Amino acid sequence: SQTIHQWPATLVQPVGSPLSLECTVEGTSNPNLYWYRQAAGRGLQLLFYSVGIGQISSEVPQNLSASRPQDRQFILSSKKLLLSDSGFYLCAWSTSGASTDTQYFGPGTRLTVL
Amino acid sequence: AQKVTQAQTEISVVEKEDVTLDCVYETRDTTYYLFWYKQPPSGELVFLIRRNSFDEQNEISGRYSWNFQKSTSSFNFTITASQVVDSAVYFCALDLGGGSYIPTFGRGTSLIVHP
Repeated sequence: SQTIHQWPATLVQPVGSPLSLECTVEGTSNPNLYWYRQAAGRGLQLLFYSVGIGQISSEVPQNLSASRPQDRQFILSSKKLLLSDSGFYLCAWSTSGASTDTQYFGPGTRLTVL
Repeated sequence: AQKVTQAQTEISVVEKEDVTLDCVYETRDTTYYLFWYKQPPSGELVFLIRRNSFDEQNEISGRYSWNFQKSTSSFNFTITASQVVDSAVYFCALDLGGGSYIPTFGRGTSLIVHP
């Protein structure tokens, strides 16, 4: 069966510090991978998605970036965090090439920028 | 463009009451997929159901049931005999499939079940 991991679970960082959040998927190959952010108020904002190694699509311009160095690894980064980067970050995967892309989510990372 | 509306921001019920969460969607495509997810206080979104646009049969899974009506572009979710563990934020989503990659999520409905 497939599982998705995210770490760290929680993170408190000062403004201006770098960020690296990691997401890995097990039990599937060549998944589509996604990063979402959920700020207070619960709406889900799609940040990035990837359909393959090295292929990243950005949905929202911001000071965040994403990379996919391996098939089942997705990393969210920032060189300098802003207060507005605080939120709950969710990674998700779906089956590549499927007629419908049911997304399965990881446990999330709660980021607080002070 | 696609749109999903969950007009109910928050619903509060007492345990054992039935509750229906509304979801209205907009799309011009004839092939699409609808989803419901549950987000408990722990934060992880849990997949509940997927429905394709060609299957309007209602679905029942234990205390959960879903009513898909293309005529009203709605995909409503009913919890029968609600329990405290049902307290969560529930999201409805729409995906065009075929490698569209990007589903459209509603803003979610917060359900609070009081003992």
